[in-house]
Amino acid sequence: AQSVTQLDSHVSVSEGTPVLLRCNYSSSYSPSLFWYVQHPNKGLQLLLKYTSAATLVKGINGFEAEFKKSETSFHLTKPSAHMSDAAEYFCVVKGTSYDKVIFGPGTSLSVIP
Amino acid sequence: SQTIHQWPATLVQPVGSPLSLECTVEGTSNPNLYWYRQAAGRGLQLLFYSVGIGQISSEVPQNLSASRPQDRQFILSSKKLLLSDSGFYLCAWSAYSGTVVDQPQHFGDGTRLSIL
Repeated sequence: AQSVTQLDSHVSVSEGTPVLLRCNYSSSYSPSLFWYVQHPNKGLQLLLKYTSAATLVKGINGFEAEFKKSETSFHLTKPSAHMSDAAEYFCVVKGTSYDKVIFGPGTSLSVIP
Repeated sequence: SQTIHQWPATLVQPVGSPLSLECTVEGTSNPNLYWYRQAAGRGLQLLFYSVGIGQISSEVPQNLSASRPQDRQFILSSKKLLLSDSGFYLCAWSAYSGTVVDQPQHFGDGTRLSIL
């Protein structure tokens, strides 16, 4: 069985400071992992994906995530937060069949000016 | 490039009325298609997915149904809406692949459905 845990339901950072959004997963298989961002009343936009290649994955808008198998983690980071980063972020795990896509509950990121 | 269109963007319907939400994908063939519902302040719940025309799988029992009359068209319907059907409905597609695990899903902008 697969599952995703996003450890913080809400994170607040000051503009220009680093962002860390935490995600832990559980999977019986070698998973594919994704991060999505959702701005208010919008669909989800893919930030980055891990698919068993490099463990450090770079995405759009300066975000990156590191896959750590020993810790079953896939935390999302950004060196310097921008006001436009304020949104909901979802960690997603995908297993061996197309229908088994598991979304985390989401982390709401607030950026304080 | 591939695009996904969802409409309408917002919809207000009375309890007991019918529903039809449409989603179309352009720029790709034989996509996998998905309908999700997102309740306020919560994560996404997969409602339906389809791997081909006329092929629909339902993840949860509910008041809704889905159809795929054409390769790149996915419709979400209801004969009689309930108050609990309120939410944000998202359509998504992913590319068909022999190794589907690494194909991300791409989302439409969603439909905000309010039931009165």
